[in-house]
Amino acid sequence: GQQVMQIPQYQHVQEGEDFTTYCNSSTTLSNIQWYKQRPGGHPVFLIQLVKSGEVKKQKRLTFQFGEAKKNSSLHITATQTTDVGTYFCAGRGGSQGNLIFGKGTKLSVKP
Amino acid sequence: EAGVTQSPTHLIKTRGQQATLRCSPISGHTSVYWYQQALGLGLQFLLWYDEGEERNRGNFPPRFSGRQFPNYSSELNVNALELEDSALYLCASSLTGHEQFFGPGTRLTVL
Repeated sequence: GQQVMQIPQYQHVQEGEDFTTYCNSSTTLSNIQWYKQRPGGHPVFLIQLVKSGEVKKQKRLTFQFGEAKKNSSLHITATQTTDVGTYFCAGRGGSQGNLIFGKGTKLSVKP
Repeated sequence: EAGVTQSPTHLIKTRGQQATLRCSPISGHTSVYWYQQALGLGLQFLLWYDEGEERNRGNFPPRFSGRQFPNYSSELNVNALELEDSALYLCASSLTGHEQFFGPGTRLTVL
């Protein structure tokens, strides 16, 4: 079945450093979504990427979807303590299929 | 607009008992998803309901079951509870094929 792998599992950074998490699917995806879960909270939708090679930015966050639509990345520039949380990617195989979530990358930021 | 609501917030049961968790989706959303999030782990997909029908099921035993009502609210039932069923159970709703909006979750503790 479809699998979505996400690395690293944990990332500890000093405030101001950059952070990147990577997501890889065993199959071609129709789209990929990214979610953030703050400690003690629930996942919150960040963005959806649909097109091959797509790049989207949200302030300090940059999201990329690979040319083959099998991988994606989230890059945060100059991390802040408010970026703390677990970042999940979620891939959809077909246009109507359910999302398959990666295991998430837990980001901690040391002030 | 009200978000996804879940009840109860916390549930404590003993081994062998049954648990019933409830979810009310955002108005207009026809899809409801259930996930299990054990401590420190990612989101494990349990069930997907859309328009009253079960569309997909994750790799969980049959004692995990559910249903979706005509008003699109949903119920997750877990029979013959085991200690390892202790987890946060998250419900999410969406328009079919779009981003998911998560509820605050039900924390199930099995003693």
